[in-house]
Amino acid sequence: AQSVTQLDSHVSVSEGTPVLLRCNYSSSYSPSLFWYVQHPNKGLQLLLKYTSAATLVKGINGFEAEFKKSETSFHLTKPSAHMSDAAEYFCVVRSNFGNEKLTFGTGTRLTIIP
Amino acid sequence: DTGVSQDPRHKITKRGQNVTFRCDPISEHNRLYWYRQTLGQGPEFLTYFQNEAQLEKSRLLSDRFSAERPKGSFSTLEIQRTEQGDSAMYLCASSEMSGGPDTQYFGPGTRLTVL
Repeated sequence: AQSVTQLDSHVSVSEGTPVLLRCNYSSSYSPSLFWYVQHPNKGLQLLLKYTSAATLVKGINGFEAEFKKSETSFHLTKPSAHMSDAAEYFCVVRSNFGNEKLTFGTGTRLTIIP
Repeated sequence: DTGVSQDPRHKITKRGQNVTFRCDPISEHNRLYWYRQTLGQGPEFLTYFQNEAQLEKSRLLSDRFSAERPKGSFSTLEIQRTEQGDSAMYLCASSEMSGGPDTQYFGPGTRLTVL
């Protein structure tokens, strides 16, 4: 079984300040982890993915995430928020043992304050 | 690479009617997935195909739902006798099977409203 918990349903930050979106996962097997972003009226876009290589993963638009097995966490960060980062962010887990489906968290809505 | 496309983008129907959605994956992607996303929630897995074979179906996929991928390219998702609870965004994704975990690329979705 696999599951994802996004600890904040809504995060607000000022433009130019750091972003932290928190995610904890549960998986019976070694997982792959992803962050997707969904802008209003747009499709889901892959930000970054972890697939058992380097634990610090860099993605698009300056985002990165660190896989911490001991804490079962995969938090998403960005040093400086931009207005265009306002969107819904989903943390996603997939077991790497014969199970191709993605399990999504409930999402975190990121608001950027000018 | 034109991305995953879905048609229609929006569908409004009356309760009890049948609807069919189409998904065209990225060319040469041999895996295709369907998800459903309701308001305020993350997408939930419905089913997936590898080539033309349907390999997994969620318990969410009731008998009123059927999906096909007859030639291993595009896929259709049909909902019979629609109910108001079927109102949601239906998302399609595709991926290319590789030696390791593959990445799923999503289409823009079909928003279904059942009146």
